[in-house]
Amino acid sequence: NAGVMQNPRHLVRRRGQEARLRCSPMKGHSHVYWYRQLPEEGLKFMVYLQKENIIDESGMPKERFSAEFPKEGPSILRIQQVVRGDSAAYFCASSHRDRSSYEQYFGPGTRLTVT
Amino acid sequence: LAKTTQPISMDSYEGQEVNITCSHNNIATNDYITWYQQFPSQGPRFIIQGYKTKVTNEVASLFIPADRKSSTLSLPRVSLSDTAVYYCLVGQRGTDKLIFGTGTRLQVFP
Repeated sequence: NAGVMQNPRHLVRRRGQEARLRCSPMKGHSHVYWYRQLPEEGLKFMVYLQKENIIDESGMPKERFSAEFPKEGPSILRIQQVVRGDSAAYFCASSHRDRSSYEQYFGPGTRLTVT
Repeated sequence: LAKTTQPISMDSYEGQEVNITCSHNNIATNDYITWYQQFPSQGPRFIIQGYKTKVTNEVASLFIPADRKSSTLSLPRVSLSDTAVYYCLVGQRGTDKLIFGTGTRLQVFP
């Protein structure tokens, strides 16, 4: 059973370009979460999605950031007009939505560098 | 979600037992205590979860006193591969977003 897949693992963008980060959840998981981690800091929640729905986007910046989880295909985190401050590791996690557990399964992350 | 406080870093040697304590004075009745482990350049990995007393699995033990205002993650006989950041999280089961602090950076020396 493959774990959470993220691609690309490393992404370099120049200021003003767009960044697209992809996440394929674990098989059987229909809930996806995105987190951002700056160097030497803990992960910060960004957004929680189910298939075709955004459930909680309270951690998403109001501008330039968007996320989707279509009926078919991976979840996408999109950052438009990137700035240097967007440089970070972006982690995706998935869960089975079993309320008896608090466990989310994390992918290896995408390291975004904005030059 | 309850705020947690844990040491910024800890050092240990191979073969020793490591205990990392987390304070969560404002823990709510429905809150559980969960620990995650993160290796460099990897996503966090669930280690253990508990509500009260003691929980043990193949990786670690979690000790929670009666007042639940703190908890201790115990790693028996650590090895170099246990070098990682350990996060203590407090929240309700099924809570959708995990709130991570800065964690405890454990360094294991040979």
